[in-house]
Amino acid sequence: EIVLTQSPGTLSLSPGERATLSCRASQSVSNNYLVWYQQKPGQAPRLLIFGASRRATGIPDRFSGSGSGTDFTLTISRLEPEDFAVYYCQQYGTSAFTFGPGTKVDIK
Amino acid sequence: QMQLQESGPGLVKPSETLSLTCTVSGASISGNNYDWGWIRQPPGKGLEWIANIYNSGYTYYNPSLKSRVTMSVDTSNNQFSLKLMSVTAADTAVFYCARRNPRVGGFDSWGQGTLVTVSS
Repeated sequence: EIVLTQSPGTLSLSPGERATLSCRASQSVSNNYLVWYQQKPGQAPRLLIFGASRRATGIPDRFSGSGSGTDFTLTISRLEPEDFAVYYCQQYGTSAFTFGPGTKVDIK
Repeated sequence: QMQLQESGPGLVKPSETLSLTCTVSGASISGNNYDWGWIRQPPGKGLEWIANIYNSGYTYYNPSLKSRVTMSVDTSNNQFSLKLMSVTAADTAVFYCARRNPRVGGFDSWGQGTLVTVSS
């Protein structure tokens, strides 16, 4: 099973600042099947990024993903008030999915 | 617009079986382009994948839960279901049903989630 580790656990930033979130896998993620979700309190997760770097439909271009193999990054170029949330990475491989523990982006 | 809706008891006793159903509207579950899954989230904690199923009935499970989980699909009613046996308080969680899009490798549509509490 591939284990995902996310850092930092919490990121305290102000609106307008840049957020950089890390997701590290215990083994290489095949075909870059690395996905990012955003979750706000009381809501289901929302798909943001797939294939490590491709934005899902309707996702603003301030969200970007990068990385390959075992190291992946989600960047929010300029935080908007609605971006303060928890972000999860998830990988798919060998008929199994695993999620990272999440990074909370909160208001400084 | 496609929607997913979870339904089932909100309270289950320890050692009993948790049963949930996801009803899909606005799209046919019989389509070949997607498979369907369950994910859970204990209060205040992260996400855990439980299982997925294709409309053919082929299933794949989280190895850590496999011995206690069964998924089924009912294409005539556009639903899929989850059974989790021998529950304990550790199974208390919000349970989400979701559609997996193989093109993206993840879940692109989610239900709103339903809280299931395991307690006597």
